[in-house]
Amino acid sequence: AQTVTQSQPEMSVQEAETVTLSCTYDTSESDYYLFWYKQPPSRQMILVIRQEAYKQQNATENRFSVNFQKAAKSFSLKISDSQLGDAAMYFCAYSGGVGNNDMRFGAGTRLTVKP
Amino acid sequence: DTEVTQTPKHLVMGMTNKKSLKCEQHMGHRAMYWYKQKAKKPPELMFVYSYEKLSINESVPSRFSPECPNSSLLNLHLHALQPEDSALYLCASSSRQGHEQFFGPGTRLTVL
Repeated sequence: AQTVTQSQPEMSVQEAETVTLSCTYDTSESDYYLFWYKQPPSRQMILVIRQEAYKQQNATENRFSVNFQKAAKSFSLKISDSQLGDAAMYFCAYSGGVGNNDMRFGAGTRLTVKP
Repeated sequence: DTEVTQTPKHLVMGMTNKKSLKCEQHMGHRAMYWYKQKAKKPPELMFVYSYEKLSINESVPSRFSPECPNSSLLNLHLHALQPEDSALYLCASSSRQGHEQFFGPGTRLTVL
């Protein structure tokens, strides 16, 4: 079974600085998707970024980028120029691809942004 | 329309009540999901509907009964719940099973 591990329960960053959130996963599949979701306190779960396993290029969305190391099964999220609105719980998630099982979430990392 | 809507936002019910949670999306997605989320924990998958057919039931107690009347709607019928069922119930949809999921704001359920 696929598992997703986020080893950092909590992280903090100074406003305007850069922070990296870690995620590792375990799978025997070759085709899969990886995601980072953001969930602010008492608010909606929002997709931050996605990565298809067959793509070597790391995904980027504005200030958010990933470092995808397929051989190491690592999928970290880098947030540049951190803003107060980035404070949230961040979940790393794995999906086995089209027509294939459900989404597996990591335990989450709570990110605090200090002004 | 890129939204998943859920009603009600909050629900308080007794252990003998029957209530329903509703979820709606108009993105043409063919997979819809119910999750249960406890505070400071990741969402736990309950049910998956793919093309309006139940494809995954993660051994959820029968007091939770899902229904997918059409490709845009997903209901979760609740009956004889326990206090430990109090949680945030999230609905999500995706274009197909396995693709990224778009989440609704959730229904915060309290069982007294």
